[in-house]
Amino acid sequence: GQSLEQPSEVTAVEGAIVQINCTYQTSGFYGLSWYQQHDGGAPTFLSYNALDGLEETGRFSSFLSRSDSYGYLLLQELQMKDSASYFCAVRSSGGGADGLTFGKGTHLIIQP
Amino acid sequence: NAGVMQNPRHLVRRRGQEARLRCSPMKGHSHVYWYRQLPEEGLKFMVYLQKENIIDESGMPKERFSAEFPKEGPSILRIQQVVRGDSAAYFCASSPPVFGARRYEQYFGPGTRLTVT
Repeated sequence: GQSLEQPSEVTAVEGAIVQINCTYQTSGFYGLSWYQQHDGGAPTFLSYNALDGLEETGRFSSFLSRSDSYGYLLLQELQMKDSASYFCAVRSSGGGADGLTFGKGTHLIIQP
Repeated sequence: NAGVMQNPRHLVRRRGQEARLRCSPMKGHSHVYWYRQLPEEGLKFMVYLQKENIIDESGMPKERFSAEFPKEGPSILRIQQVVRGDSAAYFCASSPPVFGARRYEQYFGPGTRLTVT
C-alpha cells in the first residue's frame, strides 16, 4: 500500500523560510507531487519531482531523495497569502493507475 | 481557458436519496479523476476515467458508488442511497493527454460539498 507522513502543522513568520517534510512508503514509485489548498478551496498543483534533487519555481522549491523515500517543499520570502494546507502526494500503486495518494496535509500558519 | 468545472458546488440530500455530481475537465484534457476529502484529511483517490472507459476504480466503494465519463458531456459521480458517512467534499481533477512529468499535473475543480441529512 501507500502511506505518506508529513507534519500536521507548521508555524512561520512573514518573510522567513519554511520547509515542509514528507516521507513516503510506496511500491512502484513514480514521483512526488506537492499541492496547496486554501480553506474551502481546490488543491492547486505546485511541483512534481521524479528524480533526485531540487526543483525551483519562483519562491517555492521541492526536493526529492528517492533512496531516503523523502522529499520536502521549501517556501521562501513567506507571505500571508501562503497560509494554507500543503499536501505531498504519490502516484497510486500498480496497473498503470494515475490516481494520486495524498498525505494528510500540513497546515502552514504565517504570523506577521 | 476555463478551468475544471464542477456542479453543483453544494448539494444537500436526505438519507436514501441519490446524489449526482458533475465534472467538466479543462479543455483538451482527456483524463478525469475523482477524489473525496473529509474535514482535516487529505484527498482520497476514488476513480480514474478516460472518455468512455474506467481505467482504475480501486478507490471506489464497491456498493452505491459509480462513475462515468461519456463520449459527450461531463463526467458523473453517482452515489445511490446516500448515508451520513457520504458527507464530504468531492473533487474532480483532470490532466492533459501527454507523456512525461506533465501528465502528473492534475488540475482540480472547486469541489462539490455534499451534506447528507
